[in-house]
Amino acid sequence: DGGITQSPKYLFRKEGQNVTLSCEQNLNHDAMYWYRQDPGQGLRLIYYSQIVNDFQKGDIAEGYSVSREKKESFPLTVTSAQKNPTAFYLCASSTDVGTGELFFGEGSRLTVL
Amino acid sequence: GQNIDQPTEMTATEGAIVQINCTYQTSGFNGLFWYQQHAGEAPTFLSYNVLDGLEEKGRFSSFLSRSKGYSYLLLKELQMKDSASYLCAVADSNYQLIWGAGTKLIIKP
Repeated sequence: DGGITQSPKYLFRKEGQNVTLSCEQNLNHDAMYWYRQDPGQGLRLIYYSQIVNDFQKGDIAEGYSVSREKKESFPLTVTSAQKNPTAFYLCASSTDVGTGELFFGEGSRLTVL
Repeated sequence: GQNIDQPTEMTATEGAIVQINCTYQTSGFNGLFWYQQHAGEAPTFLSYNVLDGLEEKGRFSSFLSRSKGYSYLLLKELQMKDSASYLCAVADSNYQLIWGAGTKLIIKP
């Protein structure tokens, strides 16, 4: 079955540690995205990528980094520079940027202790 | 600035009809989307409107008025499994999605 797989589903981190969230898709989509979801707020775009080896900052990129070495993979690193990292993180993909239907992974919930 | 407004929470009865409204102010418009999100799960696509009017898909319909910056999602014959959050999102002039905070729909027997 085609889809997007995020891991881990739950992650706990101590302050000052970097963590990497995995996102893999087998939908053959060119575009991939990382969103952050906080209670009472809309999804906020962290980074997106239209093609391998290229990615763009979204609205809240500070304290995060990404890579796109393979079409299928778009990992997100939450660095110690991110001031408030506790959140629900969603990875998504689409056939192209601007093609509205996004396919989402199950999400990763990060808690900083 | 860009803004999407939708009610925070709504309650409806099983078997009834509910309308969830969404108003938007964005830099350009390239379509409006509705997604459903059950608690702790990923959002799933429900509908897309780019022209004025009503799009019907089974028990769900979505309406758009571009001149009013307004859309609604209509859910008929409500079932308990429809209890979820409903997210409204607008694609702006750069085709970036601007998301509303979501409407939590509670269905009572």
